[in-house]
Amino acid sequence: AQKVTQAQTEISVVEKEDVTLDCVYETRDTTYYLFWYKQPPSGELVFLIRRNSFDEQNEISGRYSWNFQKSTSSFNFTITASQVVDSAVYFCALSEASNTGKLIFGQGTTLQVKP
Amino acid sequence: GAGVSQSPSNKVTEKGKDVELRCDPISGHTALYWYRQSLGQGLEFLIYFQGNSAPDKSGLPSDRFSAERTGGSVSTLTIQRTQQEDSAVYLCASSSIAVSYNEQFFGPGTRLTVL
Repeated sequence: AQKVTQAQTEISVVEKEDVTLDCVYETRDTTYYLFWYKQPPSGELVFLIRRNSFDEQNEISGRYSWNFQKSTSSFNFTITASQVVDSAVYFCALSEASNTGKLIFGQGTTLQVKP
Repeated sequence: GAGVSQSPSNKVTEKGKDVELRCDPISGHTALYWYRQSLGQGLEFLIYFQGNSAPDKSGLPSDRFSAERTGGSVSTLTIQRTQQEDSAVYLCASSSIAVSYNEQFFGPGTRLTVL
């Protein structure tokens, strides 16, 4: 069965703090893709990153970084030096190669960054 | 270029009435996905189209829900005899083709309230 778990429902930090959003997934497929999306207050989901199951290299993009570990089935997302504009709901999602693009989402983590 | 658009942005209806929700994907995108975002259930897949055909309708919650796509472009999600539990935000996404690794571009959603 496919499943994505984001155990942190809400996180509140003060600006400039680092914050890590956790994501744990379950799948029987050997080929799959993991995504992170951001949903700001406007409501539209914005794509942040995609990772395939064969590439465990960590990725950094500006203040954002992602840590993919197959051994623990985790794909965690870290924001360094958080800013108020980072306040949003963040979703981790799984897409299996055997499915044509259907995304299985976690429950989302609401991040509040206070000034 | 224009992104994914959805209409109406908000819909309030009475229990038992039928509603139609519309999605205009990004021009040239052959894959179109419908998701539902509700407080209790998070973000759930409903149905996807590749061109005008819908190979996967597995997420439709009941036979009151149906969707069609014409001309490989606009899609309409219809809910018949609406119930209060249908209240949610209905999100549409499109992708260049229906494959598991492709980024999906989301619209702003239609917020449906069933009284």
